Amino acid sequence: GAVVSQHPSRVICKSGTSVKIECRSLDFQATTMFWYRQFPKQSLMLMATSNEGSKATYEQGVEKDKFLINHASLTLSTLTVTSAHPEDSSFYICSASVTGGRTEAFFGQGTRLTVV
Amino acid sequence: AQSVTQLGSHVSVSEGALVLLRCNYSSSVPPYLFWYVQYPNQGLQLLLKYTSAATLVKGINGFEAEFKKSETSFHLTKPSAHMSDAAEYFCAVSEGRSGTALIFGKGTTLSVSS
Repeated sequence: GAVVSQHPSRVICKSGTSVKIECRSLDFQATTMFWYRQFPKQSLMLMATSNEGSKATYEQGVEKDKFLINHASLTLSTLTVTSAHPEDSSFYICSASVTGGRTEAFFGQGTRLTVV
Repeated sequence: AQSVTQLGSHVSVSEGALVLLRCNYSSSVPPYLFWYVQYPNQGLQLLLKYTSAATLVKGINGFEAEFKKSETSFHLTKPSAHMSDAAEYFCAVSEGRSGTALIFGKGTTLSVSS
């Protein structure tokens, strides 16, 4: 099956700094990538939908200036958490949708962000 | 709007027993339905999916699920639980159009005891 690589798997950063998370589709082109956030023992909450070459669409309540999403190519989307605070600590997961009308989304391994 | 309800946040079974994880959906269009499994600090692995073909879907690791439109359900079953099945399970729904996100249920933690 298709592979989505997410990097880094774990990151610890100081409060006030920015962290970039990468999501790559390794063997397919992904017109659309999705970013989810998962709190401990909870479900995945969609943060934003990222389309190659255009601005991301953010879900209600997600600060677009804090969570910057860039989808510069068909195989790479990045999520940058700017001016991170402890409350941004969470598990972030990306997924990529295959082009051509297929429905299956493939997920990255996730990134555990800890802001200290 | 689409939504998914997973009944039971925690299910405990004995090794060798039947596993039944419940999922009900709400959708204004014919849904596409998915079951994913997540191990601690890892991403999601697709177990199986329903995309309007056969209503009984067989997946990996011996899991299967049956789409019942009349009951708006897509329950996940496995005849005999294994210790390695202990994990978090998520049911998800989508409209099935390319580029649409999955909407997830709250998840069910499966514990398997020896």
